[in-house]
Amino acid sequence: DAGVIQSPRHEVTEMGQEVTLRCKPISGHNSLFWYRQTMMRGLELLIYFNNNVPIDDSGMPEDRFSAKMPNASFSTLKIQPSEPRDSAVYFCASSPQAHTDTQYFGPGTRLTVL
Amino acid sequence: DAKTTQPPSMDCAEGRAANLPCNHSTISGNEYVYWYRQIHSQGPQYIIHGLKNNETNEMASLIITEDRKSSTLILPHATLRDTAVYYCIVRSRNSGNTPLVFGKGTRLSVIA
Repeated sequence: DAGVIQSPRHEVTEMGQEVTLRCKPISGHNSLFWYRQTMMRGLELLIYFNNNVPIDDSGMPEDRFSAKMPNASFSTLKIQPSEPRDSAVYFCASSPQAHTDTQYFGPGTRLTVL
Repeated sequence: DAKTTQPPSMDCAEGRAANLPCNHSTISGNEYVYWYRQIHSQGPQYIIHGLKNNETNEMASLIITEDRKSSTLILPHATLRDTAVYYCIVRSRNSGNTPLVFGKGTRLSVIA
């Protein structure tokens, strides 16, 4: 199994540009999570999906952030317009059926907004 | 989920056992103790979990006190590759597919 796949691994953009981060969860997993990690705030949840349906997006900073999961094998996190304070590492994680113990994290996307 | 308290950092000599403590004094009866770690520039990785009995797998051992108010993660023979931030997380197994709540963890440095 290839594990959770994220792309791009690194993204450098200028303030005001649109940024799209992509995630492919492990096949057969029915939950997908987007986390963000910064030095100041640590690891924090942005949004998560169960069976492709968004369950909790209370961690999404503001309207500039949006996430979609059009099917079980793909999710996107979009920032439009991007700002320097969005610079962080964004992780995607997936987990299988309910009552499981483990979330599997991708390698992350390091975003730098200049 | 119950709150956890971990020391911010620890050092361990290579080849020795690393014992990482975690306090979770408000843990409830249906809550498990989970450990994840994050090696630099990688995503968090599941290590082990337990309810009340000691647990062991190929990565580590987990010792939970009888009153369940604290636990210790043991890496029996630490290597340089075990240098990472270790997170202790308490959550109900009935949480289903819900997010993990990460604290600040313990930064373990394994020294040659």
